[in-house]
Amino acid sequence: DAKTTQPPSMDCAEGRAANLPCNHSTISGNEYVYWYRQIHSQGPQYIIHGLKNNETNEMASLIITEDRKSSTLILPHATLRDTAVYYCIVRVSGYRDDKIIFGKGTRLHILP
Amino acid sequence: DAGVIQSPRHEVTEMGQEVTLRCKPISGHDYLFWYRQTMMRGLELLIYFNNNVPIDDSGMPEDRFSAKMPNASFSTLKIQPSEPRDSAVYFCASSTPGLAASNEQFFGPGTRLTVL
Repeated sequence: DAKTTQPPSMDCAEGRAANLPCNHSTISGNEYVYWYRQIHSQGPQYIIHGLKNNETNEMASLIITEDRKSSTLILPHATLRDTAVYYCIVRVSGYRDDKIIFGKGTRLHILP
Repeated sequence: DAGVIQSPRHEVTEMGQEVTLRCKPISGHDYLFWYRQTMMRGLELLIYFNNNVPIDDSGMPEDRFSAKMPNASFSTLKIQPSEPRDSAVYFCASSTPGLAASNEQFFGPGTRLTVL
């Protein structure tokens, strides 16, 4: 079972910031928070990940609460191309890989 | 790099037929994953390989499914015999943890399988 809880769907106006929440209350100390997204009919795409500090890259920002039990993915200026299902995942990172357990994710609709 | 390559992109077959899906991972990646996606069950991991060796096949639904990775640049997922409930989109992904700080998995475009 997925270790995360996300709202099933959200709407956001084009040009506004999209804030996608995720709860991961059982996260372990060595587990990272990862975000992927899946645009219709395509394979999932990595967005960002973090351990406990806030992270930012060219796609998004990730805000992780101090107790690490929840996080928020921020798309600063949403466009229609950001319409997708967004998956929040917790997993160990490092020199070995293992399975990613995808939950149901949040279906984000960007409204024109 | 061309990314993860999957073939065919679409496959329509009749119940009872053998189906073979193919995947070419990104060059240099040492992990390969097979996922299946349906509306009912979402995206689920079937099996993954490390250096061509199967590590975890606990997600393979039953004996009708088999996967091989004969070399670092090629993997197959075979269904024999196929059934209508196998209809889904099958994704292949590859990764190279330790060399990429993100430890991200790169997904292919998927194969949409329809079993009539």
